[in-house]
Amino acid sequence: AQKITQTQPGMFVQEKEAVTLDCTYDTSDQSYGLFWYKQPSSGEMIFLIYQGSYDEQNATEGRYSLNFQKARKSANLVISASQLGDSAMYFCAMREGLGGSQGNLIFGKGTKLSVKP
Amino acid sequence: ETGVTQTPRHLVMGMTNKKSLKCEQHLGHNAMYWYKQSAKKPLELMFVYNFKEQTENNSVPSRFSPECPNSSHLFLHLHTLQPEDSALYLCASSPQGGRHQPQHFGDGTRLSIL
Repeated sequence: AQKITQTQPGMFVQEKEAVTLDCTYDTSDQSYGLFWYKQPSSGEMIFLIYQGSYDEQNATEGRYSLNFQKARKSANLVISASQLGDSAMYFCAMREGLGGSQGNLIFGKGTKLSVKP
Repeated sequence: ETGVTQTPRHLVMGMTNKKSLKCEQHLGHNAMYWYKQSAKKPLELMFVYNFKEQTENNSVPSRFSPECPNSSHLFLHLHTLQPEDSALYLCASSPQGGRHQPQHFGDGTRLSIL
């Protein structure tokens, strides 16, 4: 079974509008972390935002926010005011395990976002 | 500029060649990683090093041989590769420990096997 599921292979959004990229996860751990990365066509993976399983508030980082619904095991990324430079692959990832251990990142298959002018 | 530098950016090699990929991080991290990214597949973790010691080998074929001489440098030695090894190889680093620490990635080496 997949640990990280991204159901949208591709998404389109109009410039300046908001877009939500879906991510659901599967874990039996109580303590885990969720990450979103952006990968432009150049190949580099750029860290965007982090949400801890015990964080009570949704994480925000500039135009990025994470809609964390723990009971539903979802961690959707919301990008507000889309820009042309946001066109890229977006990956959701999870790290299981307690703090202090080197749990490995598990990645989803990604969503390709295209921003239309 | 992420603080993680990979060289070369592109590599084309024959199946009988021997080459090495290099990764260097300037972030003071203690953990380093190699990932393989093939088309339409999730990133696959290959190797993990913590404080220069290999802590994970994710069932990687022996034609891939990692080396970590210090916490700042990581190599991936390649020999007698197969066409299915063509992929983007990404290096990452992170501080030791903690589920909230993101990994920082390099730009990757795009490898093509002829």
